[in-house]
Amino acid sequence: AQSVTQPDIHITVSEGASLELRCNYSYGATPYLFWYVQSPGQGLQLLLKYFSGDTLVQGIKGFEAEFKRSQSSFNLRKPSVHWSDAAEYFCAVGLSGGYNKLIFGAGTRLAVHP
Amino acid sequence: DGGITQSPKYLFRKEGQNVTLSCEQNLNHDAMYWYRQDPGQGLRLIYYSQIVNDFQKGDIAEGYSVSREKKESFPLTVTSAQKNPTAFYLCASSRSGLAGELTTHNEQFFGPGTRLTVL
Repeated sequence: AQSVTQPDIHITVSEGASLELRCNYSYGATPYLFWYVQSPGQGLQLLLKYFSGDTLVQGIKGFEAEFKRSQSSFNLRKPSVHWSDAAEYFCAVGLSGGYNKLIFGAGTRLAVHP
Repeated sequence: DGGITQSPKYLFRKEGQNVTLSCEQNLNHDAMYWYRQDPGQGLRLIYYSQIVNDFQKGDIAEGYSVSREKKESFPLTVTSAQKNPTAFYLCASSRSGLAGELTTHNEQFFGPGTRLTVL
């Protein structure tokens, strides 16, 4: 069955430090991969997406993610974290064929220390 | 500005009551979705609709109902049959592909959510 795993439930980093959030997926076909961010009590905003082509994808707010087929991973990175990046981050895989279904990971909550 | 609105932001339900959550979009999207979010579980799909007057069950449809009479609107009713309705509910929409077929290339845009609490 298709699934998305985000191994880290909570991560705390210092402002200005680098960040990497992990995402692993299980899907037999070519995946369509997304990262969303959610501020407390708010909806989700798309950070970036991967469909094909270059495996390093640039997104909004200085985020990037790298698709590694051999590792079934799509990790999110940012070289220097800002306090405003504190939020919950969700990785999702889109299933090809049929309707536009997304499978979400459980999320990683990011805290940023000043 | 184009976007998705959900109302109310907070909703309280008594045992045995049905309640309806509103979702409206002005993005001219054909497809709309309802998700339920619980702590530590990510988002789970309740219902989705590819086009007006059509909708399909998602992964956790029991105890919920929807309608899609207008392209812009996709209300969700939480019925008394839903035994554990306390959660955060998110509505989303997306473009569809050619001939109404959905593609996974299309980003889903999310509303701000409704927090439902059972008293």
